[in-house]
Amino acid sequence: KAGVTQTPRYLIKTRGQQVTLSCSPISGHRSVSWYQQTPGQGLQFLFEYFSETQRNKGNFPGRFSGRQFSNSRSEMNVSTLELGDSALYLCASSLAGRERDEQYFGPGTRLTVT
Amino acid sequence: GQQVMQIPQYQHVQEGEDFTTYCNSSTTLSNIQWYKQRPGGHPVFLIQLVKSGEVKKQKRLTFQFGEAKKNSSLHITATQTTDVGTYFCSRDYGGSQGNLIFGKGTKLSVKP
Repeated sequence: KAGVTQTPRYLIKTRGQQVTLSCSPISGHRSVSWYQQTPGQGLQFLFEYFSETQRNKGNFPGRFSGRQFSNSRSEMNVSTLELGDSALYLCASSLAGRERDEQYFGPGTRLTVT
Repeated sequence: GQQVMQIPQYQHVQEGEDFTTYCNSSTTLSNIQWYKQRPGGHPVFLIQLVKSGEVKKQKRLTFQFGEAKKNSSLHITATQTTDVGTYFCSRDYGGSQGNLIFGKGTKLSVKP
């Protein structure tokens, strides 16, 4: 079974631009979660999608948004990029996003904002 | 209240020494998960603990869940250079929403 894939793997953007990141979950997994990882803040939850619906959202500004398609693939978008948005963005998939479901992480997208 | 605290933040050991990282919560946890992230890699699921006082072993790794379900530990016996990485504990947030709150992690380095 193929693992979680994320594209692109690396991205360099300038302040004020917007960016879209993509995540393809493991086949059969319907829940996709997004996390931001920085050296200072560690791993922080952004949002989670299940059956094309956002079920929960972390404490991030509205510039961060996402969506999920009918095939469970998910995208996240960051508008009006700021230097502080430089981070590793990880997505993780699980069967149904239930409590105790194991999450499988993708390799991440390394975003650098200059 | 929802956070999990991990200590130590860093640990440097000589190959062959033991290593332990601790995870603490101020509130009772329904379960706790442990992940390992190698340098330059992504978190990889290690184990999940659910029951009070639970102990699980994976080769040289021993995971424990406290009796009160407020703390957990990961112990590695006789570390090897392949154990290098950051070990995270995590807890569920909101039960069914499939998102995790991670501790800051313990970064382990092993000197050969």
